[in-house]
Amino acid sequence: AIRMTQSPSSLSASTGDRVTITCRASQGISSYLAWYQQKPGKAPKLLIYAASTLQSGVPSRFSGSGSGTDFTLTISCLQSEDFATYYCQQYYSYPPGFGQGTKLEIK
Amino acid sequence: EVQLVQSGAEVKKPGESLKISCKGSGYSFTSYWIGWVRQMPGKGLEWMGIIYPGDSDTRYSPSFQGQVTISADKSISTAYLQWSSLKASDTAMYYCVRHRGIAEEVDAFDIWGQGTMVTVSS
Repeated sequence: AIRMTQSPSSLSASTGDRVTITCRASQGISSYLAWYQQKPGKAPKLLIYAASTLQSGVPSRFSGSGSGTDFTLTISCLQSEDFATYYCQQYYSYPPGFGQGTKLEIK
Repeated sequence: EVQLVQSGAEVKKPGESLKISCKGSGYSFTSYWIGWVRQMPGKGLEWMGIIYPGDSDTRYSPSFQGQVTISADKSISTAYLQWSSLKASDTAMYYCVRHRGIAEEVDAFDIWGQGTMVTVSS
């Protein structure tokens, strides 16, 4: 199975900051990479698919990049509602796997 | 509105059986793969398996193969996840998810159910 590793595991930032979360796959997955946001007590929400395509309704301050094994999620100007846990997921091969998550906290 | 609505929270004893449900609405239920994702308390997301309601074709993660059964009843637009003998380690939130693309067997998950909390305790 392909292993997905996110870094950092947690991150403290302030409103207005630019933050980047990294996701690395143990083998190449082309652009079959999605990012999700999960707030406490809620179901995850799809932010980005195909590594860089913004899901409908997601604010443009979110962006994704990368291909192969290395990917990034960038939030350009943090808003209060962005403090949450973020997961990457590969859907290149079975079983589709998630990273361990990155918890974004208020500094 | 496209949505997946899951059945309510369950509290069961070890060894008991359970079947939870996920009802789709607002789209062609038979045209999109539906999956199940486990989240143990305070932990990350784990993919369990998927089903194509159009023909009930099913795939399982090796970690869950033989531990659960995924099924669907297309006449009522509902997918199911069931256990024949629950363990305490099955305690978790379970989400059903819809694949983003029509008939796409591997895809991102664009619609999530609200989750069903399953608690297994003696």
